[in-house]
Amino acid sequence: GQQLNQSPQSMFIQEGEDVSMNCTSSSIFNTWLWYKQDPGEGPVLLIALYKAGELTSNGRLTAQFGITRKDSFLNISASIPSDVGIYFCAGQDLGNTDKLIFGTGTRLQVFP
Amino acid sequence: NAGVTQTPKFQVLKTGQSMTLQCAQDMNHEYMSWYRQDPGMGLRLIHYSVGAGITDQGEVPNGYNVSRSTTEDFPLRLLSAAPSQTSVYFCASSDTTRLAGGWDTQYFGPGTRLTVL
Repeated sequence: GQQLNQSPQSMFIQEGEDVSMNCTSSSIFNTWLWYKQDPGEGPVLLIALYKAGELTSNGRLTAQFGITRKDSFLNISASIPSDVGIYFCAGQDLGNTDKLIFGTGTRLQVFP
Repeated sequence: NAGVTQTPKFQVLKTGQSMTLQCAQDMNHEYMSWYRQDPGMGLRLIHYSVGAGITDQGEVPNGYNVSRSTTEDFPLRLLSAAPSQTSVYFCASSDTTRLAGGWDTQYFGPGTRLTVL
């Protein structure tokens, strides 16, 4: 089945650093979502993007819907220890109504 | 509101056994779905439902059955468990669909960790 290419797979950073991660697809999406998953929990939605070129912020998080509609980026500024977790992108596949395709995840570790 | 609840949290099965993973939501959401999460694979859609009485297959439906007799409940059945079904299973619900234009209210349950020996 289709999966999104998400990179990097993992990141180890120091508290206070900025973080960037991205997702790419061979297909066009009309919606991009970014989720965070804490250990032992289900994913929680961080940001939703609905339009190509859209740039949306949620606190220290900023995400962009790529202009080609085949990619999206998530930036975290001034990271803190509670940012630790796995971040997933998800795209809505135009060819399969109502289905989300998830990326493979980026595991973030923040050291004090 | 309890949100999306899943039971059990952990389960160990022997190959060939059957079981049902329960999922319930109290938010009156129309859309519910089941995902499995495997290391390095992200979440993959198993089955989904856009309302009571309506179900459809996702990306990896083989070996799983679902039904949606009520808006609140969406159980996932494994008829004959196999080691390849060892995974963490997540149920999710949303009150919007593509036709309504958004996914910003999709909620995930805490997950069921299943091991098949």
